[in-house]
Amino acid sequence: GQNIDQPTEMTATEGAIVQINCTYQTSGFNGLFWYQQHAGEAPTFLSYNVLDGLEEKGRFSSFLSRSKGYSYLLLKELQMKDSASYLCAVRDSNYQLIWGAGTKLIIKP
Amino acid sequence: IAGITQAPTSQILAAGRRMTLRCTQDMRHNAMYWYRQDLGLGLRLIHYSNTAGTTGKGEVPDGYSVSRANTDDFPLTLASAVPSQTSVYFCASSDSAYNEQFFGPGTRLTVL
Repeated sequence: GQNIDQPTEMTATEGAIVQINCTYQTSGFNGLFWYQQHAGEAPTFLSYNVLDGLEEKGRFSSFLSRSKGYSYLLLKELQMKDSASYLCAVRDSNYQLIWGAGTKLIIKP
Repeated sequence: IAGITQAPTSQILAAGRRMTLRCTQDMRHNAMYWYRQDLGLGLRLIHYSNTAGTTGKGEVPDGYSVSRANTDDFPLTLASAVPSQTSVYFCASSDSAYNEQFFGPGTRLTVL
């Protein structure tokens, strides 16, 4: 079967750095996406990785290791507005997205 | 309108009733998707359409149907609602199956 694993919840302090991990087992791999979802709102696209390595976009970076079936999202200089759920999704051999259940990130002052 | 709109925003429905959730996008995206999101579970794909005139089944298609008569609209119909279909439904689109998906604001559906 196909499986995406992420921690259910994480807590971090404003101004700090946090790393959200995602491991996956899917039928095929055609890229990995990270989305942000604030409570009661729609998911919004954050990043995309298809090759191994680090993709940096401002305060957010995403890393991929295809051989390990592993990705992480790194958030720097945390702000209160970063309190949200972070969703990891893998595009499988049928080009459909398989989604993790999401990691709820709580930022404390 | 800009982006994707969904209607209604929320709905309470009696079991056994028929319901159509509407989704319209103005980005001229070829691909459209319907997901449901339940607490503790990831988004699950119900149906998708890679281009106008074609549709396909996702992970959880039973009890749902879709049509794609034109590029902009992708309605989702529940023929006879059941309580297990209580969920938040998101419509999404992308300019192709290879690119990121953009999501509508969602419809919160409660079936009693």
